[in-house]
Amino acid sequence: KAGVTQTPRYLIKTRGQQVTLSCSPISGHRSVSWYQQTPGQGLQFLFEYFSETQRNKGNFPGRFSGRQFSNSRSEMNVSTLELGDSALYLCASSVEQGYEQYFGPGTRLTVT
Amino acid sequence: DAKTTQPPSMDCAEGRAANLPCNHSTISGNEYVYWYRQIHSQGPQYIIHGLKNNETNEMASLIITEDRKSSTLILPHATLRDTAVYYCIVRVEDSWGKLQFGAGTQVVVTP
Repeated sequence: KAGVTQTPRYLIKTRGQQVTLSCSPISGHRSVSWYQQTPGQGLQFLFEYFSETQRNKGNFPGRFSGRQFSNSRSEMNVSTLELGDSALYLCASSVEQGYEQYFGPGTRLTVT
Repeated sequence: DAKTTQPPSMDCAEGRAANLPCNHSTISGNEYVYWYRQIHSQGPQYIIHGLKNNETNEMASLIITEDRKSSTLILPHATLRDTAVYYCIVRVEDSWGKLQFGAGTQVVVTP
């Protein structure tokens, strides 16, 4: 069974731009979570989607948003990029809410 | 939310068992203990989880104390590929999907 896939793997953007990251969960998984990882803050929870609905949200500004489609694929969007948004963005999927999460390889975003 | 405490780093000789401790003294009765690891520049990898009984799978064993205030992850025969940051996480009650990662333990397996 294929793992969690994330596209693109690497991305360079300019401050002020917006970016959309994509995540395809493991087949059959209905819950998708997003995390941000930086050297200074470590791994931080962004949000979780289940059945196309946002179930949980971390402490991030409104510039960070996401959505989930009927096939469980998910996208996250960051608008008005700041230098501090440079990070590894990780997507994780699980069969249902509450089960173990399986992570993708991440998207490395660099904001210049 | 229950917090976890792990040593920042530990070394282990290849072929020997690695015992990774974790303290979670404020854990609630229905909170699970999860272990993940992250090899450099990769996404975290699920290892094992448990509530109160000891658990074992093909990767590791998880020993939870009777009072549930601490646990130990055991890698029975460490290999160089087990070098990673290991995270002990207590799953937040009422926020099923949310994992709160701490700083973890940097494990270095040496030949």
